[in-house]
Amino acid sequence: GQQLNQSPQSMFIQEGEDVSMNCTSSSIFNTWLWYKQEPGEGPVLLIALYKAGELTSNGRLTAQFGITRKDSFLNISASIPSDVGIYFCAGRRGNEKLTFGTGTRLTIIP
Amino acid sequence: DAGVIQSPRHEVTEMGQEVTLRCKPISGHNSLFWYRQTMMRGLELLIYFNNNVPIDDSGMPEDRFSAKMPNASFSTLKIQPSEPRDSAVYFCASSFGTGDGYTFGSGTRLTVV
Repeated sequence: GQQLNQSPQSMFIQEGEDVSMNCTSSSIFNTWLWYKQEPGEGPVLLIALYKAGELTSNGRLTAQFGITRKDSFLNISASIPSDVGIYFCAGRRGNEKLTFGTGTRLTIIP
Repeated sequence: DAGVIQSPRHEVTEMGQEVTLRCKPISGHNSLFWYRQTMMRGLELLIYFNNNVPIDDSGMPEDRFSAKMPNASFSTLKIQPSEPRDSAVYFCASSFGTGDGYTFGSGTRLTVV
């Protein structure tokens, strides 16, 4: 099935650095979600976005719903070791099921 | 709220054996999703149910895979016969409708040897 393209695929970041990742689609979505998956666990919802241009924060995480509705962005400020994991975006059109991205694997170097 | 509960957490089985994975969704959620995760293919949706009825099983790899949801609080994913290429982490998720975010279980790591 269709998957959203996430970039980068993986990141190696020094502790304290900021992180940016994005998710793109050839189709318009009207909801964007960001999930984090820690080792040995299932993905957990971090942030939900419902309107084009919307900017929403959750602690050190900030996500944006792209103005074209075909992309979304996630930023993490001042990364810490527990930010390690795989970050997934997910998009939805109308009441359809979610389409998940390919994931960005984040590694923090102490 | 105990979240989505999956069992077993780990399963190691021999090729050819039947494997049954179990899921208890969050009470009140009426949509249930089965996903498979591998390094190569990422998160793949296998099948999803709405109000216990299978809505889309186009992601089920082949006839060896089957899923049931006999009631609102229980679902199974069965693989018979299992093959080594079925080795993956299988996740169950539930939601209220297909909207909003899904709540995932902790997954079942399946190894077929």
